[in-house]
Amino acid sequence: DVKVTQSSRYLVKRTGEKVFLECVQDMDHENMFWYRQDPGLGLRLIYFSYDVKMKEKGDIPEGYSVSREKKERFSLILESASTNQTSMYLCASKRETEAFFGQGTRLTVV
Amino acid sequence: AQKVTQAQTEISVVEKEDVTLDCVYETRDTTYYLFWYKQPPSGELVFLIRRNSFDEQNEISGRYSWNFQKSTSSFNFTITASQVVDSAVYFCALSDGSSASKIIFGSGTRLSIRP
Repeated sequence: DVKVTQSSRYLVKRTGEKVFLECVQDMDHENMFWYRQDPGLGLRLIYFSYDVKMKEKGDIPEGYSVSREKKERFSLILESASTNQTSMYLCASKRETEAFFGQGTRLTVV
Repeated sequence: AQKVTQAQTEISVVEKEDVTLDCVYETRDTTYYLFWYKQPPSGELVFLIRRNSFDEQNEISGRYSWNFQKSTSSFNFTITASQVVDSAVYFCALSDGSSASKIIFGSGTRLSIRP
């Protein structure tokens, strides 16, 4: 079975902190994605990566950056967390057309 | 630009009723893929189905069925004889034909099945 693992299920951080959300997949997929999910807005793409050290902005990249140093790991970085980044964050990996999702990280910024 | 619209924000039905979740999409690509995902209260998205743009045949899997109509750009999902365990948020999604493409999601429909 494909497994996508996000490092934390719940996270509480203070405004201004630098936050790292980690995602690891075990199926050698080239493509990895970070989405945020908010009520009524569905899943919105923040960043994606189609290869090691490659990244592309999604629809809402402002306030975020990413890192992909190894194929299996894709990190989402909040440089200076703000309260409007309180959300559910979902990581996915994809080969061909099917995507597999992690369990999500619910981040609260206080 | 690609877009997915799920006009139904929330649906509530009594157990054993049939329910249809609507999905309308927009794309200029001739090759594309449509998906449905289920998100139970646990939070993880569960893949239900993938359909490519060249296959308009309807699909049935147990109590689940999908109706893909290119003429109306719709990909609707029907649950027959609904059960409480079907309660979840359901997302319709779209991607183009390349392996590196992103997946665009609709806003989701929250389905509640009352006993």
